[in-house]
Amino acid sequence: NAGVTQTPKFRILKIGQSMTLQCAQDMNHNYMYWYRQDPGMGLKLIYYSVGAGITDKGEVPNGYNVSRSTTEDFPLRLELAAPSQTSVYFCASTVGQGAYQPQHFGDGTRLSIL
Amino acid sequence: QKEVEQNSGPLSVPEGAIASLNCTYSDRVSQSFFWYRQYSGKSPELIMSIYSNGDKEDGRFTAQLNKASQYVSLLIRDSQPSDSATYLCAVFSGGSNYKLTFGKGTLLTVNP
Repeated sequence: NAGVTQTPKFRILKIGQSMTLQCAQDMNHNYMYWYRQDPGMGLKLIYYSVGAGITDKGEVPNGYNVSRSTTEDFPLRLELAAPSQTSVYFCASTVGQGAYQPQHFGDGTRLSIL
Repeated sequence: QKEVEQNSGPLSVPEGAIASLNCTYSDRVSQSFFWYRQYSGKSPELIMSIYSNGDKEDGRFTAQLNKASQYVSLLIRDSQPSDSATYLCAVFSGGSNYKLTFGKGTLLTVNP
């Protein structure tokens, strides 16, 4: 019963490098989300997707890109890493639209940019 | 800007006491409210949800909602050291897509 799986768990990047954070869910959830969490802060929404081929920006999308080619996968791309992107990144999913659907979170990716 | 406010703490209570965590929100049309527990270095996990005014109890946890005051709280009875964590309040405010707004969280420490 995997749920939401994120890889890698940890990563150190140099300024200007690029990378993709992977997120996969096996619950057949339509809605998927990417959040970042800075120390002592709540979660900020970066991007979300309501289904394959459909994505939209959240609160803090600058510096990131996403794609959703399948229901299962929702990768997050950092093109030119900057120190301000040092954070913990969480992927989450919900079964559908509506106010009463709790989010299921992955274990997170801890990213440091030096 | 929809806001969710929490006292950042830390809130320190002795083992066996009642811990009271509070959250206020700015959007009057908010529909649903969630409490997530987050242990240090771990991901958030849902512990309570509440949708209508009043109290909702689940084991040692009670969520309280007052939409007129735009206030939601979480009570933890018989607090245990294992309850020591950050508690995140999250509010869903409707619209065409499902998006939560999270507070910054309250750090709770339960002392043996």
